Formats: sequence, C-alpha cells, structure tokens
Amino acid sequence: EPEVTQTPSHQVTQMGQEVILRCVPISNHLYFYWYRQILGQKVEFLVSFYNNEISEKSEIFDDQFSVERPDGSNFTLKIRSTKLEDSAMYFCASSGNSNQPQHFGDGTRLSIL
Amino acid sequence: GENVEQHPSTLSVQEGDSAVIKCTYSDSASNYFPWYKQELGKRPQLIIDIRSNVGEKKDQRIAVTLNKTAKHFSLHITETQPEDSAVYFCAAHRSNDYKLSFGAGTTVTVRA
Repeated sequence: EPEVTQTPSHQVTQMGQEVILRCVPISNHLYFYWYRQILGQKVEFLVSFYNNEISEKSEIFDDQFSVERPDGSNFTLKIRSTKLEDSAMYFCASSGNSNQPQHFGDGTRLSIL
Repeated sequence: GENVEQHPSTLSVQEGDSAVIKCTYSDSASNYFPWYKQELGKRPQLIIDIRSNVGEKKDQRIAVTLNKTAKHFSLHITETQPEDSAVYFCAAHRSNDYKLSFGAGTTVTVRA
C-alpha cells in the first residue's frame, strides 16, 4: 500500500535557525497538507497545498512558515527562524482530492533548543 | 471555525469488551468524519470514516454512527483485543474546506 514518507524522523535545531521538513506524498495524490501536534495536545492544521499554491492556511501558519513543491515528488515545510514553541511533531498528509481521505506520514519530531 | 470535542480522554477496557468514543462538532456544514488510530511513535492511520449522507458504517469490529441533528458521531469497537490499544482521534471536515479539525484524542488501553 502506498505511503506518505517524511524525513527526517527527528530534527534537533537551535532556536533562530531555519529548518526544512521534507515529505513525499502518495504519488497520484494532488492535495498536500501539513499538521502539527504539540506534545499532549490535539493535531492542528497548518496549511494545505494544491496546484502549486496554498489553498488554505491556519492562524498558526504565519510569515515564518512556507511550503514548496520543489519537484514532482517532494513537498517541504520551511520554518525560517525557529522558536521554542515550534517544538512539536509535524505530520505531512496527502489526498487524491479535497473530499477524499487524508493519509498521514510518520511525522518529524522537531525539537528546538 | 469548526470545533470538535472528544470524550473520554482515556478509556480502559477488559479484553473482549466494547469501547465507545464520542465526538461532537459545532459546524453543521461539516459532512465528512474520519477516525484515526495512532500507535505510539507511529502515524495516524485512517481506520474508518463516514459521510453525512449515512447514519452508520461498519467494518468488521469497528463501527461509526453519526447523528447530524445532534452533531455527534461515535466510534464503537467490539470484542476489543490488546492490539486495539492506541490513541484514537476523531475529525471533522467541512465542505469547501481543505483541513481536518481534530478532537483531542482518546487513549484506549485494552487489559488482557
């Protein structure tokens, strides 16, 4: 069964540094998403991406965040200047269309020191 | 925006018993309700979902019911097994939106 893959599984970064989280969505999917889960809290939506542009974003997704699909397979989340409160598990997801189930990757645990 | 409440936060059941998790949502425009199971350190995995044009859906030991009038939906696991132990999340999706709005999760422990 095809899966969403994410790298790295764990990223440790100094506060203020830039970090890029990488995702390879399921190959025939067209909609891509990033969510985050702070330890002990619910999964929160960050952004959705379709047809090479952001289709929806949450209040969390401020100017320090950006997403990109640099080639035909990767989907990245960049955090420009990380803060302590960015420490969380970041999940990538993809779906065939906006009304089809979203399938999640294993996540990247981001730790900001 | 959509607000999803999930109860209980923890649930301990004896192997073989049933487990029920309940969620409520706030926006009547929500029309798709998936349930995800997340084992420790692993991805949220879709286990069952229901759309607003049906009231119940079943897949082996798992069933989901939806009451649109009351804006609540429930996950039922029958004949629980130790491998059912995990965190379960409900979610809601509004038509014309892209995002899923998640509940806070229920930690289910099945005692052998």
